[in-house]
Amino acid sequence: VQLVESGGGVVQPGRSLRLSCAASGFTFSNYGIHWVRQAPGKGLEWVALISYDGSHEYYADSVKGRFTFSRDNSKNTLYLQMNSLRPEDTAVYYCAKDAELGKSAYYFDYWGQGTLVTVSS
Amino acid sequence: DIQMTQSPSILSASVGDRVTIACRASQSIDRWLAWYQQKPGKAPKLLVYRASYLQSGVPSRFSGSGSVTEFTLTISSLQPDDVATYYCQNYYGNSYTFGQGTKLDIK
Repeated sequence: VQLVESGGGVVQPGRSLRLSCAASGFTFSNYGIHWVRQAPGKGLEWVALISYDGSHEYYADSVKGRFTFSRDNSKNTLYLQMNSLRPEDTAVYYCAKDAELGKSAYYFDYWGQGTLVTVSS
Repeated sequence: DIQMTQSPSILSASVGDRVTIACRASQSIDRWLAWYQQKPGKAPKLLVYRASYLQSGVPSRFSGSGSVTEFTLTISSLQPDDVATYYCQNYYGNSYTFGQGTKLDIK
C-alpha cells in the first residue's frame, strides 16, 4: 500500500491550493480516504473524509465550506481543493486510508508521507 | 466534540522497562479507540484499534486496554526503537479527535 501526496507549498492568505494523493497497492474503490493534518510541532487533526465510492464527504468544522474533497477512482487519485486559506491552515497534510473495507470506520491503517502547506504573506 | 487527554505528556524510561500511557475521553466512546506511533519526520503508524486489537505486524510488546472513558497503551519491555510520540484517537459517532500526544524517550 502506498499513498503519495503532492501539491503543497507556500501560499498567501485568502488564496487557494489543490493537494493530490495518488494511491496504489490496494483496491482503491473499496476504501474511504481521509486527510489528517499536523501543524508544525503540534498534534494531529482530522480534516476530511471521502467515502469509498465518492458519494459522501465529511469535513471538520474548521475547514467546512472552504475545502472540497474529491476522488477519481479511474485514476486512483484524490484531490483536496483548499480555498480561502488562513495562516492556521499551515500544516503537514497527510492522506490516510480508512482501515475497514466498504465503510467509513474513521481510523487509519496506512498514511502517506505528507505534504507541507504554509499559508503566509 | 469529545476531548481526549493523554498522560503523561513526556515520559522517560529505561530499556526493558514496562511503560504505560493513559488516555481519557471526555465522554463514553465504548471501545472506539486507536493508538498511533509517530517517529520524528515520519507519518503516524497504527498500533492498536478497537482499544485492544493489535494491528498486523506490530510487535507483541505493545498492547492496549480499556473501555468507556479510560484507556491505556502498554509497552511490556521498552526497546530503543520505541522512541516516538504516541497518540490516542477516538472514532466514536461524529467525533474523530486525537489526544495531544505522549513523547517517549530513553533515559
